[in-house]
Amino acid sequence: GDSVTQMEGPVTLSEEAFLTINCTYTATGYPSLFWYVQYPGEGLQLLLKATKADDKGSNKGFEATYRKETTSFHLEKGSVQVSDSAVYFCALSGNTNAGKSTFGDGTTLTVKP
Amino acid sequence: SQTIHQWPATLVQPVGSPLSLECTVEGTSNPNLYWYRQAAGRGLQLLFYSVGIGQISSEVPQNLSASRPQDRQFILSSKKLLLSDSGFYLCAWTVLEGDYGYTFGSGTRLTVV
Repeated sequence: GDSVTQMEGPVTLSEEAFLTINCTYTATGYPSLFWYVQYPGEGLQLLLKATKADDKGSNKGFEATYRKETTSFHLEKGSVQVSDSAVYFCALSGNTNAGKSTFGDGTTLTVKP
Repeated sequence: SQTIHQWPATLVQPVGSPLSLECTVEGTSNPNLYWYRQAAGRGLQLLFYSVGIGQISSEVPQNLSASRPQDRQFILSSKKLLLSDSGFYLCAWTVLEGDYGYTFGSGTRLTVV
């Protein structure tokens, strides 16, 4: 079945550092890929998405590129802020099974001033 | 605009008591609806999903049940809560095959004591 593997956390960075959170997936067909962010005590929010190979999703300074050849969708940001501290989830949707998404286990990011 | 409402935000219930969590969606028709549980510091576990009124699919056998009495209403229930039912419950919706990603509710923090 489909699966998503995320870089284990927690990740601690200083403000303005470069962020990479690795995500690889296993799926049949051509899934859509997503990154969600969860701030403490809240639900998840869709951060960005890509629906086909070589697409780049971007939002709020975060980027991720759909790499079919390496089955990856790594999240990057050039300069993190304290307000980026949150849990980040990578997910895929196989488009063929009631819209169900498969989520990674989440990566906790803490940014220190 | 499309919104999702989930309540209550916090709930403390004794073991053996019943449970009812409600989720409603506005601004769309015939959404796919989902209930997830997130244990402390863990990833998301899909509990139930629904592609239409009265259509419920269960992902894991457990002490919980779900119902969809109206197109945009999704209810999570239990007749007798267990300690292991504690967690953060999230409702989510998407359309069609899920290419748009999920919109999550703000979550219910359930503590069974």
